Amino acid sequence: QLVLTQSPSASASLGASVKLTCTLSSGYSNYAIAWHQQQPEKGPRYLMKINSDDSHNKGDGIPDRFSGSSSGAERYLTISSLQSEDEADYYCQTWGSDIHVVFGGGTKLTVL
Amino acid sequence: QVQLEESGGGVVQPGRSLRLSCAASGFTFSDYGMHWVRQAPGKGLEWVAVIWYDGSRKDYADSAKGRFTISRDNSKHTLYLQMNSLRAEDTAVYYCAAVEGGSYGGLDYWGQGTLVSVSS
Repeated sequence: QLVLTQSPSASASLGASVKLTCTLSSGYSNYAIAWHQQQPEKGPRYLMKINSDDSHNKGDGIPDRFSGSSSGAERYLTISSLQSEDEADYYCQTWGSDIHVVFGGGTKLTVL
Repeated sequence: QVQLEESGGGVVQPGRSLRLSCAASGFTFSDYGMHWVRQAPGKGLEWVAVIWYDGSRKDYADSAKGRFTISRDNSKHTLYLQMNSLRAEDTAVYYCAAVEGGSYGGLDYWGQGTLVSVSS
């Protein structure tokens, strides 16, 4: 069974950088994932898709401060030059006709 | 610009039914797979169901199987979720989401959600 593991929380200072991690469970390290941002009281917003070969595709209007990468079973979202509006929950998501859609538990990012 | 607008949520008693709608605009609706995702209060995201771009296939989470039915009307650019035999644990904000490519993928576009509260 495919499980996506995320740390429940992360924090970083205004203007700094932070790297969030999403780990695919054993046997699924070749799966692509997508990152989504959910600001307080809002619907989620697609940020980008990250493939196992480290290629990625950003959503419309996503700032260059957001970038993605991949290493083995881990998929990363790096946010640089943190701004107050980056304080949000971040979810990773994967998919397949056999697994349907799977979400990670989410990481709550606090901007200090 | 792309818009997904959910409607139809509300307060409903256990065992009753509710139909949610999701009106789409700003993209070629008939080219996109459409999903329902829900979020219980204070919890994470939970996938509910998907319908292929042409309606030819539908898949459901175990929690929705046998009680919920996803459908779409491409002529009206609208997605639906018929929810029967509602339970307290179905209480959540329900989001519709669109996937370019017709079925599964990264959820490219999301709506703002509609709240369903199941309570006696």
